[in-house]
Amino acid sequence: DAEITQSPRHKITETGRQVTLACHQTWNHNNMFWYRQDLGHGLRLIHYSYGVQDTNKGEVSDGYSVSRSNTEDLPLTLESAASSQTSVYFCASSDYRGNTEAFFGQGTRLTVV
Amino acid sequence: GQNIDQPTEMTATEGAIVQINCTYQTSGFNGLFWYQQHAGEAPTFLSYNVLDGLEEKGRFSSFLSRSKGYSYLLLKELQMKDSASYLCAVSSQSYNTDKLIFGTGTRLQVFP
Repeated sequence: DAEITQSPRHKITETGRQVTLACHQTWNHNNMFWYRQDLGHGLRLIHYSYGVQDTNKGEVSDGYSVSRSNTEDLPLTLESAASSQTSVYFCASSDYRGNTEAFFGQGTRLTVV
Repeated sequence: GQNIDQPTEMTATEGAIVQINCTYQTSGFNGLFWYQQHAGEAPTFLSYNVLDGLEEKGRFSSFLSRSKGYSYLLLKELQMKDSASYLCAVSSQSYNTDKLIFGTGTRLQVFP
């Protein structure tokens, strides 16, 4: 069965370190998204991609970057982790059509100490 | 700009009916989604509305009024397992995709 997986599920890192969160989908979806979820804010869009070599900034992109070298993967990199980036991160993917649901990974809980 | 509003918390009794409202203001509209999210888990798709009216799927129904920027999710015959957060999300119109903008979610607690 097709799926979308994130790794690691939990991570603790130190302030200033570079961290990369992995997202891999086997749906063959064109669109991939990264969200962060914090109490009181809901899901906020960090970066998104409509296809290979395409990346776009979302509403909270500062301090984050992504790259899309193939259809299946969209890794999220925190260039220099900050305590404000402690959050739960969700990756999602969807088909290119606008009326299709997005499928979410199980999330990565990141703690920056 | 984009703005999506929904109540923060709601409570209901097992077997009852509950309606969760969502109002939105977005630049471009390509449909409205409802997702369910249990604590500590990923959001899962419940429903999609692009035209005005009611969409029914078993115990869950979703309504949309595009002219009013309004939607609701109706849950009937509530069960304890329905205790979860319900996320309203608007697909903002783009050249080829559904960039989902989420509301903050409504936490529903179902009591026996």
